[in-house]
Amino acid sequence: DAMVIQNPRYQVTQFGKPVTLSCSQTLNHNVMYWYQQKSSQAPKLLFHYYDKDFNNEADTPDNFQSRRPNTSFCFLDIRSPGLGDAAMYLCATSRGVAGGADTQYFGPGTRLTVL
Amino acid sequence: AQSVTQLGSHVSVSEGALVLLRCNYSSSVPPYLFWYVQYPNQGLQLLLKYTSAATLVKGINGFEAEFKKSETSFHLTKPSAHMSDAAEYFCAVGTLSSGSARQLTFGSGTQLTVLP
Repeated sequence: DAMVIQNPRYQVTQFGKPVTLSCSQTLNHNVMYWYQQKSSQAPKLLFHYYDKDFNNEADTPDNFQSRRPNTSFCFLDIRSPGLGDAAMYLCATSRGVAGGADTQYFGPGTRLTVL
Repeated sequence: AQSVTQLGSHVSVSEGALVLLRCNYSSSVPPYLFWYVQYPNQGLQLLLKYTSAATLVKGINGFEAEFKKSETSFHLTKPSAHMSDAAEYFCAVGTLSSGSARQLTFGSGTQLTVLP
């Protein structure tokens, strides 16, 4: 089945130690998104790629970076994780069609713990 | 700016009872509206979406939602709750982002509890 895959499902890192989260998709979608979701809150968009074009949200901290080496893969890099970065990180994809009806499909998420 | 408001952060229903989760939107243009469900430690799963084709939208797992322009609402309903429906539900509106893709603006979510 075509899907959005995130690895690992659970990641533990130490305060200040760089960490990379991975997302892959078999949907051949143009757009890939990264969201941060803290406990009992709605997902918050960090950035997205439309093909190779990177779009950063204005309030995304510089500590968060992303790479998309090809259509299928997208990575979230947290350069120096703080305790406040502990959250669920969700990857999503969409075709990128015109209009707001473009549907986003989410992966299962990676739960990040910062010690 | 487009936004959605979910009334009631927690809703409890008995098994077999009607489920009604409320969502109101604010938009200056015809909106594209979505309902997603999230089970514990899982990603978001699309339940249904409104794209102006029909005001009553049927989704998966027996859920449906009706778009009411006069009330700026897109409430989610299910005639008979099942224990497996217990989850967090998010209403979202699709907006044009600053880039070339579309952004989802989520409501704050409603936690549904189903009582035996």
